[in-house]
Amino acid sequence: AQSVTQPDIHITVSEGASLELRCNYSYGATPYLFWYVQSPGQGLQLLLKYFSGDTLVQGIKGFEAEFKRSQSSFNLRKPSVHWSDAAEYFCAVGRGGSYIPTFGRGTSLIVHP
Amino acid sequence: GAGVSQSPSNKVTEKGKDVELRCDPISGHTALYWYRQSLGQGLEFLIYFQGNSAPDKSGLPSDRFSAERTGGSVSTLTIQRTQQEDSAVYLCASLRGDVRYNEQFFGPGTRLTVL
Repeated sequence: AQSVTQPDIHITVSEGASLELRCNYSYGATPYLFWYVQSPGQGLQLLLKYFSGDTLVQGIKGFEAEFKRSQSSFNLRKPSVHWSDAAEYFCAVGRGGSYIPTFGRGTSLIVHP
Repeated sequence: GAGVSQSPSNKVTEKGKDVELRCDPISGHTALYWYRQSLGQGLEFLIYFQGNSAPDKSGLPSDRFSAERTGGSVSTLTIQRTQQEDSAVYLCASLRGDVRYNEQFFGPGTRLTVL
C-alpha cells in the first residue's frame, strides 16, 4: 500500500536560513506527490505537487521540491525562511485510481528570529 | 461564500451520543473528501465522494461512521455512539474534477470533543 513517511516531527531553523523538510514514499509505480502547509488557525493549503515531467517542482511562497525516484524521496526546500513560514507541513501521496492524497504525519517548523 | 465551510466549528458531546458534521463544498466542485486529524497523527483519510456516490470509503474506522452527500453538494458525516477516541478535528475538502490538475480546497474543520 502507498505510504508516506516524514521522519522529522519538529524542525527548528533561524530566520533567513535555508530549509529542507524530508519526505519518503512507498509506492510501486510513479507516484503522485504533494506538499501542503497548515498555518495556525488556518486550513491546509497546497504548496506544490508532482505528477510527471520535470523532477524539480516550483510552488507558492518560494518553496520547491525535488522528486528523486532512486531515493523514493520528495523533499521540500526553501533557500531563506521567513518567520511567517512557521507552520505544520504535510507530504502526501496520491492513492488509487482517484489519486486521493494520503498524508504523512507532518513536520512542525519552528522559526527563530 | 467562496470557500469550503464546515459546521459546527466546535462540538462537545458525551460518550455514546450521535453527532452530525456538515460540509458545504465550493459550488461546482464534484469531488469531496473527509479527513480526520488527531493530535500527532497527521491527516487520516475517511471517505471520498464523486458526485453523490462514494467510490472509496475505505478509511471509515468502524461501522459507527457513515457519510452521505446529496445533490452533489452538501455532505454530512455521522458518528454514532461516539467514543472518546473519536475526538479529533474533522476536515472536509472539495475539488473540481481531478486532483492531478486542480487543487483541493480545505475547510476550517470541526473540532469534536467526546467527554
